[in-house]
Amino acid sequence: QSVLTQPPSVSGAPGQRVTISCTGSSSNIGTGYDVHWYQQLPGTAPKLLIYANSIRPSGVPDRFSGSKSGTSASLAITGLQAEDEADYYCQSYDRSLSGSVFGGGTKLTVL
Amino acid sequence: QMQLVQSGAEVKKPGASVKVSCRTSGYSFSSYDIIWVRQASGQGPEWMGWMNPNNGNTGYAQKFQGRVTMTRNTSITTAYMELSSLRSEDSAVYYCARDLGYSSSCDFWGQGTLVTVSS
Repeated sequence: QSVLTQPPSVSGAPGQRVTISCTGSSSNIGTGYDVHWYQQLPGTAPKLLIYANSIRPSGVPDRFSGSKSGTSASLAITGLQAEDEADYYCQSYDRSLSGSVFGGGTKLTVL
Repeated sequence: QMQLVQSGAEVKKPGASVKVSCRTSGYSFSSYDIIWVRQASGQGPEWMGWMNPNNGNTGYAQKFQGRVTMTRNTSITTAYMELSSLRSEDSAVYYCARDLGYSSSCDFWGQGTLVTVSS
């Protein structure tokens, strides 16, 4: 069980908007530590989508956006496309564990 | 272009050690921490620790303290991760990645190294 909780799955039709939540605690997100988001396609390494809560690395479409509030963070994907079907993970630092942690992951299905 | 190329798959017996290499190119090796992450089949990524290639400083996840060692050879811009006292639960794909500089946010990743622990 990760200290960062994500819904196991979300789904949406092409063109729709979906959000993926990442719920932490006062030991991690709530303390102000940055949240990062990754997309992972089967058989490949994770790809950085969002870092420092809301910054997109070069090359990541602006359909992807991140936000943080209190002890939670969210990844929003607008204009869903078939190629967005993947696993998504949040990541943050946890002071109790004295290290970084990943969420359990969310599988996005594009209907 | 920026690359992190890892060593090949390994099969180890329980109790043995494994050392995975991560050869980097295309950027200043000493300027970015290297992060090690592993991922068991069907599971999410698991952060193992970090290493500063400039001074060799390291920080390990509590779970791996005493079993993991992260080192580097700056002359060949290569990082290493050694895990000892292997058990079946250590079977996973091990990744090295470059830390962008925002608390282990990893912008470039190696291709992964499959480590299988089996008697």
